Amino acid sequence: DGGITQSPKYLFRKEGQNVTLSCEQNLNHDAMYWYRQDPGQGLRLIYYSQIVNDFQKGDIAEGYSVSREKKESFPLTVTSAQKNPTAFYLCASKQGAGTGELFFGEGSRLTVL
Amino acid sequence: AQSVTQLGSHVSVSEGALVLLRCNYSSSVPPYLFWYVQYPNQGLQLLLKYTSAATLVKGINGFEAEFKKSETSFHLTKPSAHMSDAAEYFCAVSDQRGNTPLVFGKGTRLSVIA
Repeated sequence: DGGITQSPKYLFRKEGQNVTLSCEQNLNHDAMYWYRQDPGQGLRLIYYSQIVNDFQKGDIAEGYSVSREKKESFPLTVTSAQKNPTAFYLCASKQGAGTGELFFGEGSRLTVL
Repeated sequence: AQSVTQLGSHVSVSEGALVLLRCNYSSSVPPYLFWYVQYPNQGLQLLLKYTSAATLVKGINGFEAEFKKSETSFHLTKPSAHMSDAAEYFCAVSDQRGNTPLVFGKGTRLSVIA
């Protein structure tokens, strides 16, 4: 079945450590997105990529980094510079511009100990 | 810039009662509007979307929403709530070219009381 796979689903890290969240899609979508979700805050855009080897910062990019070396993959690294990284992270994809639906993965919950 | 405001972070209804979740948008260009649903510890699933074809949009699970330009609103309704409707609901907006990432509201948690 086509879809978006995020891993790991749960992740614990110590302060000062970088961690990378995986996002893979087999929908052949051009655009991919990372959102952060905190209780009562809705979804806030971290980074997005509309084409391979190109990406743009979203509203809360500080302390995060991404790469888009392959169409199907868009990993997110939460660096030690992110002051409050404990959150639920959602990856999504979309077939380019237009009215296409945004498809979401199941999310990754990161907890900093 | 585009934004959405969801009135009420938590709405509680009795089983069988009308569900009304409010969303108002702000956009300098004609918008596309979306409603998504999220169950605990899961991703978001599209309920319905407005893309200018019809102002009354029907979605999955018996939900519908009406685009009212004069009120800049896109409220979500369902005539009769079911226990399985308990979830968090998000309204989102993008421009009509679909080039800009979706901007989400803060969400409304729906509780259904037996």
